[in-house]
Amino acid sequence: GAVVSQHPSWVICKSGTSVKIECRSLDFQATTMFWYRQFPKQSLMLMATSNEGSKATYEQGVEKDKFLINHASLTLSTLTVTSAHPEDSSFYICSARMSGGATDTQYFGPGTRLTVL
Amino acid sequence: LAKTTQPISMDSYEGQEVNITCSHNNIATNDYITWYQQFPSQGPRFIIQGYKTKVTNEVASLFIPADRKSSTLSLPRVSLSDTAVYYCLVGGRNDYKLSFGAGTTVTVRA
Repeated sequence: GAVVSQHPSWVICKSGTSVKIECRSLDFQATTMFWYRQFPKQSLMLMATSNEGSKATYEQGVEKDKFLINHASLTLSTLTVTSAHPEDSSFYICSARMSGGATDTQYFGPGTRLTVL
Repeated sequence: LAKTTQPISMDSYEGQEVNITCSHNNIATNDYITWYQQFPSQGPRFIIQGYKTKVTNEVASLFIPADRKSSTLSLPRVSLSDTAVYYCLVGGRNDYKLSFGAGTTVTVRA
């Protein structure tokens, strides 16, 4: 149980184009999902918190107009990198929050490698 | 968010037990402790979570002393495939955002 998927697993795009990444919780419902970014040899950095049916909350320094987040259902959140540039090349990872009873745990997707040429 | 401190790296050999201690002096009453494992180019994988005392599952044990200001992840009889970065995170129901530190890079040698 507690499986989170991401699609695509990797994408290469030209500078100036937009890229959409999907994050799905496959066997549980997640009212809250999170998007992280990880650069080589660095730790994960939280970009935004995605709440089902409401606007995402962005961390300081993250451009909300560049990284569009939509959480349309309890099992799907999408991150769209608009007008991507080479500096946006990174490893993007989502997580879905499973809460209930005595636990509250985030389960992570496998990540999406974005390369902007 | 409670800050955590853990060793940057640890070396071990196959078959040995690896213990990684994490300090979280400012842990709040509602906070619980979660450990993740990450391999290169993969998302973090949930290992174990606990609030107090000891928790054990099929892959690890988590020891939490009474003051909860630290915790120790114990990996029994490691193998080469356990070489990874291990993250200790603290969070609670009221503050469920996770703040990742640098983690501990565990290297298992033959």
